[in-house]
Amino acid sequence: DVVMTQSPLSLPVSLGQPASISCRSSQSLAYRDGNTFLNWFHQRPGQSPRRLIYKVSNRDPGVPDRFSGSGSGTNFTLKISRVEAEDVGVYYCMQGTHWPPWTFGQGTKVEIK
Amino acid sequence: EVQVIQSGAEVKKPGATVKISCQVSGYTFTDHYMHWVKQAPGKGLEWVGLVDPEDGETRYARRIKDRITITADTSTDTAYMELRGLRPDDTAVYYCAGEFEFWGQGTLVTVSS
Repeated sequence: DVVMTQSPLSLPVSLGQPASISCRSSQSLAYRDGNTFLNWFHQRPGQSPRRLIYKVSNRDPGVPDRFSGSGSGTNFTLKISRVEAEDVGVYYCMQGTHWPPWTFGQGTKVEIK
Repeated sequence: EVQVIQSGAEVKKPGATVKISCQVSGYTFTDHYMHWVKQAPGKGLEWVGLVDPEDGETRYARRIKDRITITADTSTDTAYMELRGLRPDDTAVYYCAGEFEFWGQGTLVTVSS
């Protein structure tokens, strides 16, 4: 199974400041068709997860453009350009290239300093 | 508007069986895999299985495949997850998620004697 490793696991950020979360996979997530199936999710306390980014860098409908995804191969990054209060919660990366199983990172908890 | 509505919380004794439903509206049910994701209390996300509503094909996580059955009823646009031989460590919120884009609100399953 592909292991997804996120860092940091906890990220205190001041409002209006940028934030960055790293996600590494135990093997390349590049698929033979040229796609890379790496997603990012956000889960607020007591809520269901919400997908933010699919295939590395594509924002889902309604996701603010302060969120961006990048990376390739085994190294990926989610960036928030200016953190807002509503951005608190846990962020997960997930791979969908080598399935089953689809595998998630451990989660990164973002909180406001 | 897309809606994904799951059945209510369940409390079961060890060894019992639980069956959770997940009804969708607002998108074509057969167009997307329906995944099921487990979140134990205070823990991260774990993929447990999926059904392709178009043909009923299923895939399961290795550690649970002997105890789980996921089905889809295209006449009611509803997916089901049945978990047998319940154990205390099955206690979790279970989410259904259409292609990981459309998430239900989660169903808490508590296994306790």
